[in-house]
Amino acid sequence: GAGVSQSPRYKVAKRGQDVALRCDPISGHVSLFWYQQALGQGPEFLTYFQNEAQLDKSGLPSDRFFAERPEGSVSTLKIQRTQQEDSAVYLCASSLGRREQYFGPGTRLTVT
Amino acid sequence: AQTVTQSQPEMSVQEAETVTLSCTYDTSESNYYLFWYKQPPSRQMILVIRQEAYKQQNATENRFSVNFQKAAKSFSLKISDSQLGDTAMYFCAFTASGGGADGLTFGKGTHLIIQP
Repeated sequence: GAGVSQSPRYKVAKRGQDVALRCDPISGHVSLFWYQQALGQGPEFLTYFQNEAQLDKSGLPSDRFFAERPEGSVSTLKIQRTQQEDSAVYLCASSLGRREQYFGPGTRLTVT
Repeated sequence: AQTVTQSQPEMSVQEAETVTLSCTYDTSESNYYLFWYKQPPSRQMILVIRQEAYKQQNATENRFSVNFQKAAKSFSLKISDSQLGDTAMYFCAFTASGGGADGLTFGKGTHLIIQP
């Protein structure tokens, strides 16, 4: 079946612009995660949803970052007033209950 | 807070050789799960192998096996008969639950290069 998809795959934003990154999880997966992966580093946890409920947002680096999953399926990660330090690959993962996470291809965000 | 340390930024071996990637972690949790993920160049992260801390037997998946030393908090990955397609970044990861309900904590990764 279809895996986790993310769009856009690449995004270039000017500093100060708002961006929205989309994640389509595997159908039926109740858990959805967002990670930020800086160049040459491992992914870092941002936030977690179980269905439409955001159960953990402890990893969001600032109040400029906002995530939602209103119908318990597609999720959007929004970054307001982007800064250069926001440049990274943003990974989405989904899972079915307490099993391994399946990752999408990521969105590479470059802030100029 | 949990931490995961991968002390080998890069490793290079010849095709068909065996290679071991090291990982140590720090946690106060008694029950947890450890993973090795593979991230090929410009491709998405895939799970290689998973170990549940309460299981004493080391996990194996075909050419991939782990050496899990709970007391030492060590979780190394052994790749036997290495292949060119094994070239990738390898990340060790930790979660205190089943891996599907809590976020993963990753190490910085080891870049593994398989030479022909």
